[in-house]
Amino acid sequence: EIVLTQSPATLSLSPGERATLSCRASQSVSSFLAWYQQKPGQAPRLLIYDASNRATGIPARFSGSGSGTDFTLTISSLEPEDLAVYYCQQRTNWPPAFGGGTKVEIK
Amino acid sequence: EVQLVESGGVVVQPGGSLRLSCAASEFTFDDYSMHWVRQPPGKGLEWVSLISWNGGSTYYADSVKGRFTISRDNSKNSLYLQMNSLRTEDTALYYCARDRMVRGIIYNMDVWGKGTTVTVSS
Repeated sequence: EIVLTQSPATLSLSPGERATLSCRASQSVSSFLAWYQQKPGQAPRLLIYDASNRATGIPARFSGSGSGTDFTLTISSLEPEDLAVYYCQQRTNWPPAFGGGTKVEIK
Repeated sequence: EVQLVESGGVVVQPGGSLRLSCAASEFTFDDYSMHWVRQPPGKGLEWVSLISWNGGSTYYADSVKGRFTISRDNSKNSLYLQMNSLRTEDTALYYCARDRMVRGIIYNMDVWGKGTTVTVSS
């Protein structure tokens, strides 16, 4: 079973700053990694699939990169509405699994 | 607007049973495989189960295998989760979600409902 470890647990940044979130897999997931955003009190939303593809309607300030075991979600210029928990998810191996999440706080 | 609306979550005693429902609208329901994903209070996401677009294949997390049954009625645009032998650790917000691939299974979820809360407690 693949374990996804996300870091940092919490990221506190000011609007306009660049946010870099990490997801590390316990074994290779190729490029089959997705990122989801969950705002307070809301359902998750798919942001990025297959490491670097933005889902429909996702702003260009969100980008994903990586392959194998190391992946990054970058928010190029934080907006106040980006306050959320971000989860990575792999679909390479059974069972599909989520990371523990990174909480992004806005100063 | 593409929409999923869950219902059926209640407080139930350990060992009890419950059926969750998810009503889909504004998309061709029988073109998509469907998931259940849960989130315990204050915790992260856990994938629970999937059913293929035609209902022919079902998959379960080890934590629920043998206790939960996923099903669908494409004529009613509805997804279900029958939950038996419930445990306190099944307490969570249960989301239904659409698989991203048309007439396939790709284990990414591109449309989510708002969830329904299941509490297992004596």
